[in-house]
Amino acid sequence: HLQLQESGPGLVKPSEALSLTCTVSGGSISNSSYCWGWIRLPPGKGLEWIATIYYSGSTYYNPSLRSRVTMSVDTSKNQFSLKLTSVTAADTAVYYCAIGHYDVLTGDDAFHIWGQGTMVTVSS
Amino acid sequence: QSVLTQPPSVSGTPGQRVTISCSGSRSNIESNTVNWYQHLPGTAPKLLIYSHNQRPSGVPDRFSGSKSGTSASLVISGLQSEDEGDYYCAAWDDSLWGVFGGGTKLTVL
Repeated sequence: HLQLQESGPGLVKPSEALSLTCTVSGGSISNSSYCWGWIRLPPGKGLEWIATIYYSGSTYYNPSLRSRVTMSVDTSKNQFSLKLTSVTAADTAVYYCAIGHYDVLTGDDAFHIWGQGTMVTVSS
Repeated sequence: QSVLTQPPSVSGTPGQRVTISCSGSRSNIESNTVNWYQHLPGTAPKLLIYSHNQRPSGVPDRFSGSKSGTSASLVISGLQSEDEGDYYCAAWDDSLWGVFGGGTKLTVL
């Protein structure tokens, strides 16, 4: 079964860019029913959806982050990535990558598989 | 402030039944499917319910979900101590973004 592992810098300076990679093992991420996503959990707050890419290539971002975020998928490497620019302390969070099953009949795209998460702190 | 509204906390004793509500709007819950996630301390979030009321393989039938109009509910029957943690509802919004509820902390007394 698929396993996801996030990787990236644990500490990022304010105004710099944050880059995270999700490496998938145990199977191929290239499946027409998949979608790939990033979600974060700021300290003391709830889950926040960041972005989702569907197998079709359609990509959607959280409106509050859209101007700063880019998500990409590299099926040849079995990875997908997130880049967040101009970070501030408000971007401090545990970042999770996840894979969803997109049901074309219902439109459901629940995230069935999650990584363990990686803590990112924004501080000088 | 989250787009989907959940109670900050609920509690129950072992064996009891608890309900967690999730209130949204026509553009999210009413128009799209609702999912529920469980986040236990020190673990990754886990999908509990998808498409309003479907359980992934391995999720006990003590967990059930429903949707009516702009609201959804998660019911946990036969409450167990290991159920203690945070629960989130989620849905797609027709404005083309995903939304989560603020989360509900379940305490097993």
